[in-house]
Amino acid sequence: AQTVTQSQPEMSVQEAETVTLSCTYDTSESDYYLFWYKQPPSRQMILVIRQEAYKQQNATENRFSVNFQKAAKSFSLKISDSQLGDAAMYFCSLDTDKLIFGTGTRLQVFP
Amino acid sequence: SAVISQKPSRDICQRGTSLTIQCQVDSQVTMMFWYRQQPGQSLTLIATANQGSEATYESGFVIDKFPISRPNLTFSTLTVSNMSPEDSSIYLCSVEDGALVNEQFFGPGTRLTVL
Repeated sequence: AQTVTQSQPEMSVQEAETVTLSCTYDTSESDYYLFWYKQPPSRQMILVIRQEAYKQQNATENRFSVNFQKAAKSFSLKISDSQLGDAAMYFCSLDTDKLIFGTGTRLQVFP
Repeated sequence: SAVISQKPSRDICQRGTSLTIQCQVDSQVTMMFWYRQQPGQSLTLIATANQGSEATYESGFVIDKFPISRPNLTFSTLTVSNMSPEDSSIYLCSVEDGALVNEQFFGPGTRLTVL
């Protein structure tokens, strides 16, 4: 069975600082995709970043980057230069034949 | 990326009634998905809706409770039938953009409260 675990229910960071959100997963598949989604209070799920399992290079999107450790089945999200607009729920998800979501991490950003 | 709208954005319903949620996409897509997000919880896939075929339901979800229609490549509906307070959730539709493999885009969600 596929599982996604986010062990940090809440995290906080000061504006302009860096924060890392943790995610581990389990799958027996060798070919899969990993995603981080952001859900602000407006409820709209927004894709932050994606990683293909066959790619060794860590994905980056502007201030967002991942640390993908395939052997350890770890997929953490690093947010650099945090902004107030980054405050949201962040969901890690695994896609083999369907999307499975972790329980989410609520990120607070303090000025 | 696809732009997705949902109607209604929120509703308050009485126990025992049914509500149909609409999902409209601005482009033709093959695969559409319906998710439930219970209060303070993560997203759980209800079913996958492909045009021209019966929806495929995940374990714990049945067609009698959550009938789905997919009449064309830009539209789908999810009905929550014979509602109870336990059905109070956010319901989201999503689509898989054909140009971006395995990447899903989500609608804004429908917040349902059942009294």
